[in-house]
Amino acid sequence: ETGVTQTPRHLVMGMTNKKSLKCEQHLGHNAMYWYKQSAKKPLELMFVYNFKEQTENNSVPSRFSPECPNSSHLFLHLHTLQPEDSALYLCASSQLAGGRGNEQFFGPGTRLTVL
Amino acid sequence: QKEVEQDPGPLSVPEGAIVSLNCTYSNSAFQYFMWYRQYSRKGPELLMYTYSSGNKEDGRFTAQVDKSSKYISLFIRDSQPSDSATYLCAMSGNNFNKFYFGSGTKLNVKP
Repeated sequence: ETGVTQTPRHLVMGMTNKKSLKCEQHLGHNAMYWYKQSAKKPLELMFVYNFKEQTENNSVPSRFSPECPNSSHLFLHLHTLQPEDSALYLCASSQLAGGRGNEQFFGPGTRLTVL
Repeated sequence: QKEVEQDPGPLSVPEGAIVSLNCTYSNSAFQYFMWYRQYSRKGPELLMYTYSSGNKEDGRFTAQVDKSSKYISLFIRDSQPSDSATYLCAMSGNNFNKFYFGSGTKLNVKP
């Protein structure tokens, strides 16, 4: 596997279900991100982890719960979601390097549908 | 006012045309500028990365940044049907973790 992988690629869940999205990066990066992408809207940053520590929570509802057990793996735990949470959820990683910006590399995303 | 503005298109051009894609922004602290290409049902793929003002060329792609006007552009020369995708601009300031994205421009290159 290369780059950033995400599973599952598609997920349909009811509002009372609990599910998890998984992301793995094979790039040796030290920062990982969750984004939400809805039609015709800019990517919304949800969570940021630097060296496994959460450094950003962009006012995300508590029904989304991230977990970063190590710098290569990132999870997004989902429970009691709403239909408006249906979207493409993208994971990204980057290498933090002092003195310059850093490119973010994205996975293919999980297409989530909440019924 | 949105941090980053991008015309959603769609933009439809014939094969071989020169394509110009643009974004404007409001935050003068932005200094890192990126263009991503996103094919249908895929994640965004980094195309170009530019620091501060100026031009950068890579094959058929040229990125331009004009910080005085808060305006960035991506030019695609000799466009191909395989260039049909959504193009996202992104930018960041000193917080290297926080990127601000445009909503994307959908490009269709007709054979």
